[in-house]
Amino acid sequence: NAGVTQTPKFQVLKTGQSMTLQCAQDMNHNSMYWYRQDPGMGLRLIYYSASEGTTDKGEVPNGYNVSRLNKREFSLRLESAAPSQTSVYFCASRPGQGGYTFGSGTRLTVV
Amino acid sequence: DQQVKQNSPSLSVQEGRISILNCDYTNSMFDYFLWYKKYPAEGPTFLISISSIKDKNEDGRFTVFLNKSAKHLSLHIVPSQPGDSAVYFCAASEFGNTNAGKSTFGDGTTLTVKP
Repeated sequence: NAGVTQTPKFQVLKTGQSMTLQCAQDMNHNSMYWYRQDPGMGLRLIYYSASEGTTDKGEVPNGYNVSRLNKREFSLRLESAAPSQTSVYFCASRPGQGGYTFGSGTRLTVV
Repeated sequence: DQQVKQNSPSLSVQEGRISILNCDYTNSMFDYFLWYKKYPAEGPTFLISISSIKDKNEDGRFTVFLNKSAKHLSLHIVPSQPGDSAVYFCAASEFGNTNAGKSTFGDGTTLTVKP
């Protein structure tokens, strides 16, 4: 099915470990986004990419880095995980002016 | 300061009745507004949107109203069905500049539709 695919779906990290969350879309969308959702809160933008080759910081970028590998793929890296980064991470893409298509999320726990 | 606010954390309605979800925003540069629906353990799903040049947009049972002077929008669901029970997020975007249409989200309203 067409859409946004995120891997992994679940991950437990120890404080200080690093990991990369993968995201790929097959809808030929230019813009891609990474959000995090904490319990009882809305989605907060971490980083986004308006087009292949460009990335920009969102509302909560500290502790994260991103790579827009090509038009399809947009990865999110945690270099040194902290308990405050325990959250659900959503990747999304957008076809210009329209709604996002979200992936199913990655549930990350940092202990 | 939160730019998009959903002041009602929860709403409960009877099946067949109208559900009205509300959202307020503070940034007058927002020019595109959206509603998303989210079931547990899934990603949000786009529901309906409205441009700032309109005051109403309808799609089946869902209608979004925009009051720019009050910086307020609402989502009406008529008639409500038990399958509509979910968390609803309001979001606002700024397409008028180079912000790539990034959206700011409210904290969500949990809608429960009782049979």
